Amino acid sequence: RKEVEQDPGPFNVPEGATVAFNCTYSNSASQSFFWYRQDCRKEPKLLMSVYSSGNEDGRFTAQLNRASQYISLLIRDSKLSDSATYLCVVNWSGGFQKLVFGTGTRLLVSP
Amino acid sequence: NAGVTQTPKFRVLKTGQSMTLLCAQDMNHEYMYWYRQDPGMGLRLIHYSVGEGTTAKGEVPDGYNVSRLKKQNFLLGLESAAPSQTSVYFCASQGFSNQPQHFGDGTRLSIL
Repeated sequence: RKEVEQDPGPFNVPEGATVAFNCTYSNSASQSFFWYRQDCRKEPKLLMSVYSSGNEDGRFTAQLNRASQYISLLIRDSKLSDSATYLCVVNWSGGFQKLVFGTGTRLLVSP
Repeated sequence: NAGVTQTPKFRVLKTGQSMTLLCAQDMNHEYMYWYRQDPGMGLRLIHYSVGEGTTAKGEVPDGYNVSRLKKQNFLLGLESAAPSQTSVYFCASQGFSNQPQHFGDGTRLSIL
């Protein structure tokens, strides 16, 4: 099983739609979770951290399900500017606590 | 705020040439990382450092060397460049291991 798995997509949605991505992780001892956004040929940028209680930032909501070992990202009222690749990131406990990046889910928002 | 700065932004090399990529951060972070990203693929960790004077291998370290002589700088060296090293290289820094990483804007390297 991969350390972090994401559906590569692409998810094609119209403007205004609600879209959700899931990400599964294999290390039950992981403690820190993040969503990053990466635009084509640009660096990954932190979108939001994911907390146990779930958290919301404007149109974006992140949830953590420790029992099933997955995190989710919900985007409401999609904008054209939301088109990007969304990376799920999990810290890997055991020895040095590196961050493990998923390969990303591509989102395309169309007019 | 400069954050993480990578130099150069672009470079074209011939096979067998050497070069050094520089990463500088002004956030007083302990941890620094070098990744490569190939078209349509995810980030792959080359080397990392958990503090000044320390370095460690990531998942794809062959053909690269690194140094962290100063806390704010992390250098990635290619001793004898090969076409397989054509890629986009990202540097990242991190304050503590449970915190997010902050990325530089990348170095696009082509080896002919």
